[in-house]
Amino acid sequence: IAGITQAPTSQILAAGRRMTLRCTQDMRHNAMYWYRQDLGLGLRLIHYSNTAGTTGKGEVPDGYSVSRANTDDFPLTLASAVPSQTSVYFCASSATSGNTGELFFGEGSRLTVL
Amino acid sequence: AQSVTQLGSHVSVSEGALVLLRCNYSSSVPPYLFWYVQYPNQGLQLLLKYTSAATLVKGINGFEAEFKKSETSFHLTKPSAHMSDAAEYFCAVSEVVGYQKVTFGIGTKLQVIP
Repeated sequence: IAGITQAPTSQILAAGRRMTLRCTQDMRHNAMYWYRQDLGLGLRLIHYSNTAGTTGKGEVPDGYSVSRANTDDFPLTLASAVPSQTSVYFCASSATSGNTGELFFGEGSRLTVL
Repeated sequence: AQSVTQLGSHVSVSEGALVLLRCNYSSSVPPYLFWYVQYPNQGLQLLLKYTSAATLVKGINGFEAEFKKSETSFHLTKPSAHMSDAAEYFCAVSEVVGYQKVTFGIGTKLQVIP
């Protein structure tokens, strides 16, 4: 059972470059999320999608965009990377967008912007 | 807005000793509370969740947490620490605001000393 697959696992990127982090799930979950994890700040939500074809902004959306063309894929794009976007990015999914849904996480993509 | 406070970013215990990780929450409505665990270089995975049923919640790997409304707490405990419990633990609270908004604490890193 793969669950959530993220790629790349690690990337070093020059400032100003465009980067897309890929996320694919095989659980047929409706809801998907992108978080960034930074030391001392925990996890913060960047963007979410309750179902295919819809997306929304989370807590820290600036500089990021997402799309949800189908149920399985939820890519995160940095249009022009900046050093403050250096972080570990986690994609997550949930069977429901309700309160009690368990989040399932990928193993993360570590991004360094120089 | 809901929030979570984890007391102690680092906790050290001896192998076989009691594990106690503290979490206090703030919520204007009955809360839905979670504990997640993150092992090195992995994503988060669910330990247990409180969804307004029993106040004592049992999770995986021998962990449990007790919901105390009067103290607005949801502390995580395990009677006897094992080396494999060394990880980072995140308390989280969930609310629905058009999507499932999960607010994470900053995490507590548990070190188990042999």
